[in-house]
Amino acid sequence: DIQMTQSPSSLSASIGDRVTITCRASQDIGRFLSWYRQKPGKAPELLIYAISRLQIGVPSRFSGGGSGTDFTLTISSLQPEDFATYYCLKSYSPPRTFGQGTKVEVK
Amino acid sequence: EVQLVESGGGLIQPGGSLRLSCAASGYTFSDFGMSWVRQTPGKGLEWISYISLNSDVIYYADSAKGRFTISRDNARNSLYLQMNSLRDDDTGLYYCARDYSTSAPFDFWGQGTLVTVSS
Repeated sequence: DIQMTQSPSSLSASIGDRVTITCRASQDIGRFLSWYRQKPGKAPELLIYAISRLQIGVPSRFSGGGSGTDFTLTISSLQPEDFATYYCLKSYSPPRTFGQGTKVEVK
Repeated sequence: EVQLVESGGGLIQPGGSLRLSCAASGYTFSDFGMSWVRQTPGKGLEWISYISLNSDVIYYADSAKGRFTISRDNARNSLYLQMNSLRDDDTGLYYCARDYSTSAPFDFWGQGTLVTVSS
């Protein structure tokens, strides 16, 4: 099975900071990479799919990039509601596999 | 507004069975595949099972194969997960999620139902 490795596992940042999270797949997964934000006590929500496509209603401060095995999620200017845990997901053939998560905390 | 509401969780002894349900509303349920995803302290988010819109394609994670059965009733706008032979490590919060496509999975989630396996 393809493994998804996120880094870092946690980071500390301030409002307005630019934040980048990385996800690496153990094999080429094409464009089948999406990102989710999970606020405390809430269900995850889809932010980005197909590497770089913004889900409807998601603010433009979120962007995704990468290709093949290496992908990034960037938040251009961190807002209070962005202190949360972020997960990548590969959806190329079953099983669908999440990364282990990156917790963004207040500095 | 798309809504997914899970139910059926609870405290169950190891080896027991539970049936989870997910009631969908706000969209045409029969037009979309669905998945179950769980969140556990040990493994984080884990996809468990997928069922296509007309139930002709079903997938399971290795952890669910042989013990869990996914099903749906399009007439009732409902998704189900029958869980048998439950183990301690099945403890977690179980979400149903609309599985829009391979490129954009899990575009809507329920709030989850808690399953606790303990003696």
